[in-house]
Amino acid sequence: QVQLQESGPGLVKPSETLSLTCAVSGDSISSDNCWSWVRQPPGEGLEWIGEIHQRGITHYNPSLKSRVSMSLDKSKTHVSLRLSSMTAADTAVYYCAQHSGWAFDPWGQGTLVTVSS
Amino acid sequence: QSALTQPASVSGSPGQSITISCTGTRTDVGRYNYVSWYQQYPGKAPKLIIHDVRDRPSGVSDRFSGSKSGNTASLTISGLQAEDEADYYCSSFTTINTYVLGTATRVTVL
Repeated sequence: QVQLQESGPGLVKPSETLSLTCAVSGDSISSDNCWSWVRQPPGEGLEWIGEIHQRGITHYNPSLKSRVSMSLDKSKTHVSLRLSSMTAADTAVYYCAQHSGWAFDPWGQGTLVTVSS
Repeated sequence: QSALTQPASVSGSPGQSITISCTGTRTDVGRYNYVSWYQQYPGKAPKLIIHDVRDRPSGVSDRFSGSKSGNTASLTISGLQAEDEADYYCSSFTTINTYVLGTATRVTVL
């Protein structure tokens, strides 16, 4: 059974770049899988950030495309997210999720990232 | 891309049925049968309850059902129970190979 665990700094300063990692266990990153990052500002709804396929193909939310990059670390079974030029509006719980077809399942527990000086 | 439109809140009494709508466009909901629904409790990660418009993952109650007509997908919860009180989100694949999520619906059991 696949399990996902996000990790990251928790606190980021304005204008800095956020780096998050999603550890995938119980499955092989070399399989034909795909992973998405989704975020949720406090008290608000979910927003899809982007996805990365096992072959490295990426697709990003057009509203974030200029600031987002995702990558895979095949040898360590980690999926990474980088989001540059962080502002207070980027404060959110960040989730990674594995795709099951065209749905997101399962999800990690999420990690809260606060942008503050 | 704009978020899919859901009602902010829906309520019902125990045992009743409720339906949550999810309205998109011809470039997402109307184009593909790749609509999924998620249930989220406060402080918890979302959980998949419906995929591909109407299919339930193993272990999800058959009280949850999905459908689609044109640009609008729907989630129906039958035999409403207290444990169904949560936030619900829809999601759709889009013509530009992205995903768009819904605006969230808070379900309240009266």
